[in-house]
Amino acid sequence: AQSVTQLGSHVSVSEGALVLLRCNYSSSVPPYLFWYVQYPNQGLQLLLKYTSAATLVKGINGFEAEFKKSETSFHLTKPSAHMSDAAEYFCAVTSPSGAGSYQLTFGKGTKLSVIP
Amino acid sequence: KAGVTQTPRYLIKTRGQQVTLSCSPISGHRSVSWYQQTPGQGLQFLFEYFSETQRNKGNFPGRFSGRQFSNSRSEMNVSTLELGDSALYLCASSPGGAGYEQYFGPGTRLTVT
Repeated sequence: AQSVTQLGSHVSVSEGALVLLRCNYSSSVPPYLFWYVQYPNQGLQLLLKYTSAATLVKGINGFEAEFKKSETSFHLTKPSAHMSDAAEYFCAVTSPSGAGSYQLTFGKGTKLSVIP
Repeated sequence: KAGVTQTPRYLIKTRGQQVTLSCSPISGHRSVSWYQQTPGQGLQFLFEYFSETQRNKGNFPGRFSGRQFSNSRSEMNVSTLELGDSALYLCASSPGGAGYEQYFGPGTRLTVT
């Protein structure tokens, strides 16, 4: 079974500092990988996705992630944190689940706090 | 295009009752998936429907069921509610193929008392 591990349930950074949120996956087949963000009392919004076209993926709001097969990692970064980045971030992997279905498996999430 | 909509946004039910949640996907999307989000278990997959057929089901008891209509709108039903069913229920729609991202609705917050 595939799984996703997000290191650190809470991460705090200062405004303007580098954001690094870690994600490792296990998948027996080439995965599709996603990062989603969730603001309080809202659904999930897609930040970016990896679908094997390029190992460095750029997303919305200045975020990017690098796929490293040798490390089975897909860490999310942003050079300079803004107050508006405070939210919960989820890494997810999807691979075939039979009958043409593709199921998302999520990590436990990382809550990002940005300190003024 | 309009996003994924879910109704109602909030629900309070009593243990033992049943509840039906509704989801309208993005126009043209044929796949609808449901997830349960709780502080303890995180985001867990419930089931996926594609063209009115359930293609995949997560590890939930039979009290959780769903269906999809010909216009791709979906409903999920939970019977004999338990306190542990209190959660945010998220619906996501997708064109349905490999690698397509899923677009999430705002969720329905269910509280069971």
